[in-house]
Amino acid sequence: GQNIDQPTEMTATEGAIVQINCTYQTSGFNGLFWYQQHAGEAPTFLSYNVLDGLEEKGRFSSFLSRSKGYSYLLLKELQMKDSASYLCAGVDSNYQLIWGAGTKLIIKP
Amino acid sequence: DARVTQTPRHKVTEMGQEVTMRCQPILGHNTVFWYRQTMMQGLELLAYFRNRAPLDDSGMPKDRFSAEMPDATLATLKIQPSEPRDSAVYFCASGPKGGLRTETSTDTQYFGPGTRLTVL
Repeated sequence: GQNIDQPTEMTATEGAIVQINCTYQTSGFNGLFWYQQHAGEAPTFLSYNVLDGLEEKGRFSSFLSRSKGYSYLLLKELQMKDSASYLCAGVDSNYQLIWGAGTKLIIKP
Repeated sequence: DARVTQTPRHKVTEMGQEVTMRCQPILGHNTVFWYRQTMMQGLELLAYFRNRAPLDDSGMPKDRFSAEMPDATLATLKIQPSEPRDSAVYFCASGPKGGLRTETSTDTQYFGPGTRLTVL
């Protein structure tokens, strides 16, 4: 079966760095998305990785290892507004997104 | 600033009533997705259209749910009859490329604000 695993909840301190991990098992693989979802709002696109390595975009970076079926989202210089759920979604051989349940990130002052 | 729009934003109805949710995808986008999100289940794909044709509705309870795209600017999701277990947030998303089955394109999905449905 297809599966996306990510931690349910994480807590971090304002100004710090946090890494949110995601492991995936999909039938075929055509990339991996990270979305951010604030409470009561819609998911918004953060990143898409299809090649191995780290892609940096401001305070947020996303890493992919296809051989390990593993990705992470790295958030630096955490701000209170980063408190949100972070959704990992793998793209399978039919180009369908397989969504994880999301990681709720709580930022404390 | 192009956005996906959804109406209504909130809907409270009684069990057995028909519910219709509407979505206007971003102009020029070729793919439209309907999702349901609950605390227990997370995001569930209900239906998916490309160029207005339904490609996948395997996630949708067929006996009560139906999804259509009468034209390129409107997608609808209907529930008839509604049940309390249908209470959830329903998101519509659209994608720009429409070429999900090509090697070079994977659609980024742009989500609408959602319809929060409560069935009493």
